[in-house]
Amino acid sequence: ETGVTQTPRHLVMGMTNKKSLKCEQHLGHNAMYWYKQSAKKPLELMFVYNFKEQTENNSVPSRFSPECPNSSHLFLHLHTLQPEDSALYLCASSQSGGSYEQYFGPGTRLTVT
Amino acid sequence: RKEVEQDPGPFNVPEGATVAFNCTYSNSASQSFFWYRQDCRKEPKLLMSVYSSGNEDGRFTAQLNRASQYISLLIRDSKLSDSATYLCAVRGGATNKLIFGTGTLLAVQP
Repeated sequence: ETGVTQTPRHLVMGMTNKKSLKCEQHLGHNAMYWYKQSAKKPLELMFVYNFKEQTENNSVPSRFSPECPNSSHLFLHLHTLQPEDSALYLCASSQSGGSYEQYFGPGTRLTVT
Repeated sequence: RKEVEQDPGPFNVPEGATVAFNCTYSNSASQSFFWYRQDCRKEPKLLMSVYSSGNEDGRFTAQLNRASQYISLLIRDSKLSDSATYLCAVRGGATNKLIFGTGTLLAVQP
């Protein structure tokens, strides 16, 4: 399935590095999301974009910086992360309205050393 | 009280068994309800949306009880391949934000 793609699939970075996660959706949706999934915790919503505008920032630390240049692409820029930021980062997309069904990408498994 | 709660399990059932999961939600204004399936180290995949009248897809039946604020998922004739974590998700009010439960782990035994 290639509805929502994410790169890279795995990332190991040091605390002083800067890296970016990329997400692209091919479903014609107009809303995109970043989630964090840590072990034994529910999916945590980080950011929501509707029609390229950020409509939700779930008290996410500033070391995570999202960017949405258009309705099909979403980035998450990372800098000076902490080891506790190690997790699976999932991108999703949906229509804004209608069924609101969200479809997820395969995720980026991030390890901060 | 958590916004969305699920029994984490694990539910260990033999092949062919019928198993049911519940998911409770706290926001009475919630509008949309979903069940997702997540395999180990993979992304959640939408299993089915839950409609007010209930809906069925093959061996899977989802129901909504607004009065008691819970949704349920029934799996009949369990297969080994049904082993996964089942996540419920709830959308509240005029927003496209989904709140997810922690998931219920199902292990179907041969």
